Amino acid sequence: DQQVKQNSPSLSVQEGRISILNCDYTNSMFDYFLWYKKYPAEGPTFLISISSIKDKNEDGRFTVFLNKSAKHLSLHIVPSQPGDSAVYFCAADSGGSNYKLTFGKGTLLTVNP
Amino acid sequence: DAMVIQNPRYQVTQFGKPVTLSCSQTLNHNVMYWYQQKSSQAPKLLFHYYDKDFNNEADTPDNFQSRRPNTSFCFLDIRSPGLGDAAMYLCATSRGRGKREKLFFGSGTQLSVL
Repeated sequence: DQQVKQNSPSLSVQEGRISILNCDYTNSMFDYFLWYKKYPAEGPTFLISISSIKDKNEDGRFTVFLNKSAKHLSLHIVPSQPGDSAVYFCAADSGGSNYKLTFGKGTLLTVNP
Repeated sequence: DAMVIQNPRYQVTQFGKPVTLSCSQTLNHNVMYWYQQKSSQAPKLLFHYYDKDFNNEADTPDNFQSRRPNTSFCFLDIRSPGLGDAAMYLCATSRGRGKREKLFFGSGTQLSVL
């Protein structure tokens, strides 16, 4: 049973435009969310995170929005650059003694020059 | 640069033949994790070590074992690989445990089972 869902396997945008990557979750115990980026032949790297007490977190061109009532979060990249082309994983943490991140399947973002 | 290193990048084994994947880190992190990622699937946590304390996930098959002889190294042993164990295996580290701890991943080992 997938608790973190990234329903779009891929997304293609033009350079300079906005990229919006979506993530839905089902477990109401999740209270911290992260995005990781993965280039081919490399491991995932941390990108940005958000706590459930916030609805927005911004870091440069990257902004994550959280809608708790809808159990939905999104990653906005503005403006998109060709170097942003990668797989983006959404992950969620329920804290407590579980010490476990639950990942989505990832979305392949392609930014075309 | 401090990093998480996994060797080899590609590993081929035969059905039922034990195989060991290795991971080393220069970050001096307390926690080391092993994730399994099958094609087009989400990375799935198999187990983790917090220092020398081993923590197995409830749904990790007994076929999978791990060793952490020291802070820097962690091994994944698959005792009798089946065709369904073909996957990318990702090692990760974190300084501690907790929701704000970022994971640092290695590049992964792609395991093929023939």
